[in-house]
Amino acid sequence: KAGVTQTPRYLIKTRGQQVTLSCSPISGHRSVSWYQQTPGQGLQFLFEYFSETQRNKGNFPGRFSGRQFSNSRSEMNVSTLELGDSALYLCASSLGSSGRANEQFFGPGTRLTVL
Amino acid sequence: GDSVTQMEGPVTLSEEAFLTINCTYTATGYPSLFWYVQYPGEGLQLLLKATKADDKGSNKGFEATYRKETTSFHLEKGSVQVSDSAVYFCALIVYGGATNKLIFGTGTLLAVQP
Repeated sequence: KAGVTQTPRYLIKTRGQQVTLSCSPISGHRSVSWYQQTPGQGLQFLFEYFSETQRNKGNFPGRFSGRQFSNSRSEMNVSTLELGDSALYLCASSLGSSGRANEQFFGPGTRLTVL
Repeated sequence: GDSVTQMEGPVTLSEEAFLTINCTYTATGYPSLFWYVQYPGEGLQLLLKATKADDKGSNKGFEATYRKETTSFHLEKGSVQVSDSAVYFCALIVYGGATNKLIFGTGTLLAVQP
């Protein structure tokens, strides 16, 4: 079974630009969550999508958005990039049903650098 | 709110030493608890989990017991190897609604020297 894939693996952008990151979950998984990892703030939850609907959202400004397609693939978008958006963005997929056995599987991440 | 506190790193050990990484949590409901590991340049891998009080999660020689009375989930390994060098994250999910939001601790860097 293929794991979670994220593209691209590395990105360099300049302030003010926008960026789109992609995540393909494990086949059969319907939930995709996004996390931001930085040295200062650690791992922070961005949002979760389930069956094309945003099910939960973290504490990030509106510049951060996402969507999920009917095949469960997800994209996140960051507009008007700031230096502080430089981070490793991790995607996690799971079956999505609420319940204690709902393990999340993480992709390798996209390393975004904003200059 | 819900939170996870884990010991500051880095933790530096010699090969075959005993490892403990402390983790305590605060949760409004009944959480499931996890340890994730992150090797350099990679994403997170689930190391072990426990879904209710007194459960013991174990994998690859690592163990952690869900202690509700002390709200703790400390990670232990009897004999570490150089290949265990990584960052370890304690995390929780509080179920009760339709959400998969993981709340992480700050991570503990483990460096094992030969």
